[in-house]
Amino acid sequence: DIQMTQSPSSLSASVGDRVTITCRASQSISSNLNWYQQKPGKAPNLLIYAASSLQSGVPSRFSGSGSGTDFTLTISSLQPEDFATYYCQQSYSTSYSFGQGTKLEIK
Amino acid sequence: QVQLQESGPGLVKPSETLSLTCDVSGYSISSGYYWGWIRQPPGKGLEWIGSIYHSGSTYYNPSLKSRVTISVDTSKNQFSLKLISVTAADTAVYYCARVVPAPMAAGYWGQGTLVTVSS
Repeated sequence: DIQMTQSPSSLSASVGDRVTITCRASQSISSNLNWYQQKPGKAPNLLIYAASSLQSGVPSRFSGSGSGTDFTLTISSLQPEDFATYYCQQSYSTSYSFGQGTKLEIK
Repeated sequence: QVQLQESGPGLVKPSETLSLTCDVSGYSISSGYYWGWIRQPPGKGLEWIGSIYHSGSTYYNPSLKSRVTISVDTSKNQFSLKLISVTAADTAVYYCARVVPAPMAAGYWGQGTLVTVSS
């Protein structure tokens, strides 16, 4: 089974900051990596698919990169609505497993 | 606009079967995409349960495969989840979603429904 590990587990940042969240797979998953944002009490929202493709309607301040085992989600300039929990998800094996999440909080 | 809505009992007894339905509006299931179920225990992370194509082909999470059945009813434009022999560990918010093939990314989600397993 493929294990997905995100770092950090939590992060404090300020509006306007540039933020990077990392996701590491326990084996190579090529570019089969998706990113989601989840706000409290809401369903997740797809941000990035196939490691670097921006989902329609998602602001361009979000970007993804990486391949193989190491991936990053970058928010170029944090906005108030970006404070949420972020999850990566591998789509290489049929467990389609998620990382444990990174909670982004206001500093 | 695609909309998904989960429905089913909010309380299930241990060892019994959890059954949920997802009604889809704004898009015909027969037109394509995968349709999936994902769950989230209270205060915890996400777990992919499985997905189904309109033709009926399925992918299940190996860790749940022995207990899960996902089916589709194109005439009602809905798909369903059955999870047998539930325990307290199956208590979670259950989401249904429309899944884009190839990236297997869930692009549209229902609001989620909490299912508690308790006697």
